[in-house]
Amino acid sequence: EAQVTQNPRYLITVTGKKLTVTCSQNMNHEYMSWYRQDPGLGLRQIYYSMNVEVTDKGDVPEGYKVSRKEKRNFPLILESPSPNQTSLYFCASRPQGDTWSNQPQHFGDGTRLSIL
Amino acid sequence: GENVEQHPSTLSVQEGDSAVIKCTYSDSASNYFPWYKQELGKRPQLIIDIRSNVGEKKDQRIAVTLNKTAKHFSLHITETQPEDSAVYFCAASRGGATNKLIFGTGTLLAVQP
Repeated sequence: EAQVTQNPRYLITVTGKKLTVTCSQNMNHEYMSWYRQDPGLGLRQIYYSMNVEVTDKGDVPEGYKVSRKEKRNFPLILESPSPNQTSLYFCASRPQGDTWSNQPQHFGDGTRLSIL
Repeated sequence: GENVEQHPSTLSVQEGDSAVIKCTYSDSASNYFPWYKQELGKRPQLIIDIRSNVGEKKDQRIAVTLNKTAKHFSLHITETQPEDSAVYFCAASRGGATNKLIFGTGTLLAVQP
């Protein structure tokens, strides 16, 4: 089954304790992206990756890191989490597409992070 | 910067009525407009999308219209059912390799039985 898998689904942790949220897709998609979802703000892009070893900042990258060592995996790293990073996080992937033919994104099930 | 405004933020309709959600985008180069439905506690899922070379697209009870001149697009749901209750997000993208999707802030649709 084609899917985007995130882990963990839920995490409660404390300020300053490094954490990693994993994301894996089995569709051989080139493009992967991380979003955070907050009430009243919709989905905001944190980082994205167009292919292996190619990553770039989205709209709200502060406090986050990513890596793309393999095509299928795109982990989100919070080196020193703070309470303002408490949010619902989604990973998404899609084929690269060409200039005209945009491809819809497939989302994971989400990770709810609470930073105390 | 680029942004997408979405209205209303909440919408309550009676079962069987129609629902309309409207979005306005700022980037005139946008050419791809997907709509996502997010049920409570679930992931956003694509329900319909439209590209800028067409003005309307329909899929059963769902339709999307696009007015490029006014830079707005709308989602129309006819004969609403309780299972249509969810948060709906519009988005816009100018395409290309980066294909950055700019999302609206969402509309909570409640269909009353």
